[in-house]
Amino acid sequence: EAGVAQSPRYKIIEKRQSVAFWCNPISGHATLYWYQQILGQGPKLLIQFQNNGVVDDSQLPKDRFSAERLKGVDSTLKIQPAKLEDSAVYLCASSSKTGANTGELFFGEGSRLTVL
Amino acid sequence: GQQLNQSPQSMFIQEGEDVSMNCTSSSIFNTWLWYKQEPGEGPVLLIALYKAGELTSNGRLTAQFGITRKDSFLNISASIPSDVGIYFCAGSNFGNEKLTFGTGTRLTIIP
Repeated sequence: EAGVAQSPRYKIIEKRQSVAFWCNPISGHATLYWYQQILGQGPKLLIQFQNNGVVDDSQLPKDRFSAERLKGVDSTLKIQPAKLEDSAVYLCASSSKTGANTGELFFGEGSRLTVL
Repeated sequence: GQQLNQSPQSMFIQEGEDVSMNCTSSSIFNTWLWYKQEPGEGPVLLIALYKAGELTSNGRLTAQFGITRKDSFLNISASIPSDVGIYFCAGSNFGNEKLTFGTGTRLTIIP
């Protein structure tokens, strides 16, 4: 079974530029998450989708971050304009309905963003 | 957002030693999980705990769900080089698959 796919793996941009990250979850997984992991910290949830609907985006900085999962499969996370403090690894994760309430999330390798 | 506090922050041990780490929260969780993250990778689930007081093993790993529901512990016996990485605890509640992660414990094995 293929895992969670993310791209790009690395991105370097200057502040005020924009960037987009893509995620393809494990086939059949209804729930998709984007987490931000700043160096030396644990992952922090940005947004959670159930199929193509947003379940929780309370910690998403909506003035600059946006995410969509239009067809309920893959997802895109965008940052515009980027700030220095957005430098982090952006992790995508998915979980299956059969795993509901187990807390078992499957993570991708992450997209590392450096903002100069 | 809330983060769980883990201790110790880092550990330097020799191969073969046992390891203990813990995680505490100011709020109750119904599910506790332990993940391991290696450099350049996403976290991978090691153990999941669903009941207060539960003790669960996965090979050389043993984890416990604290009675108060506000803490959890992870033990690794007879450490080996591939145990190196960052260990994160995470909590969640029924009906909400959102995970709140801890601050992490970095494990280094000294040759």
